[in-house]
Amino acid sequence: GQQLNQSPQSMFIQEGEDVSMNCTSSSIFNTWLWYKQDPGEGPVLLIALYKAGELTSNGRLTAQFGITRKDSFLNISASIPSDVGIYFCAGQLPSGTYKYIFGTGTRLKVLA
Amino acid sequence: DTAVSQTPKYLVTQMGNDKSIKCEQNLGHDTMYWYKQDSKKFLKIMFSYNNKELIINETVPNRFSPKSPDKAHLNLHINSLELGDSAVYFCASSQDFQRSQETQYFGPGTRLLVL
Repeated sequence: GQQLNQSPQSMFIQEGEDVSMNCTSSSIFNTWLWYKQDPGEGPVLLIALYKAGELTSNGRLTAQFGITRKDSFLNISASIPSDVGIYFCAGQLPSGTYKYIFGTGTRLKVLA
Repeated sequence: DTAVSQTPKYLVTQMGNDKSIKCEQNLGHDTMYWYKQDSKKFLKIMFSYNNKELIINETVPNRFSPKSPDKAHLNLHINSLELGDSAVYFCASSQDFQRSQETQYFGPGTRLLVL
């Protein structure tokens, strides 16, 4: 099945550092969503992006919809221990079933 | 006031059994989904229903049969469970899959372990 390439796969960072992760694809997407999944929980929506070039913030999180519509980026500023978790991107296909394809996840661990 | 709820949260069963997972959303959404998350945390869509009609049916064994009695509920029945069915199954919903500016909301997951 289709998957989005998400990188990095995992990262350890120090508390207070900024974090960047991205998703890339050979396909064009209509919408990009970024989720965070805590252990034992379902994915929780962080940011939704609907237009190419769009830059949206949610607190310390900032995400961008790539101009080519084939990629998206998520940045977390001044990371804190509760940022630990798995971050997923999801892109919505532009036509047909409009289904979402999920990235492979970025596992973030924050060292206090 | 949970938006998307699933039951049960944990399900441990023997190979060959038949089991069902239930999902309900109180968001007034028209579209619901079932996803499977494997041990590597890959999330893959299995099925999607819009207003009780099947719109996505990925390559899933026909032992898996979704049922949508109304647009607020999407249940998943699994026949003849196999070891490889062990995973976390997530239900999700969105307002309308064809609408612009769509977002999906996930339930807490059902952890299925087949012994």
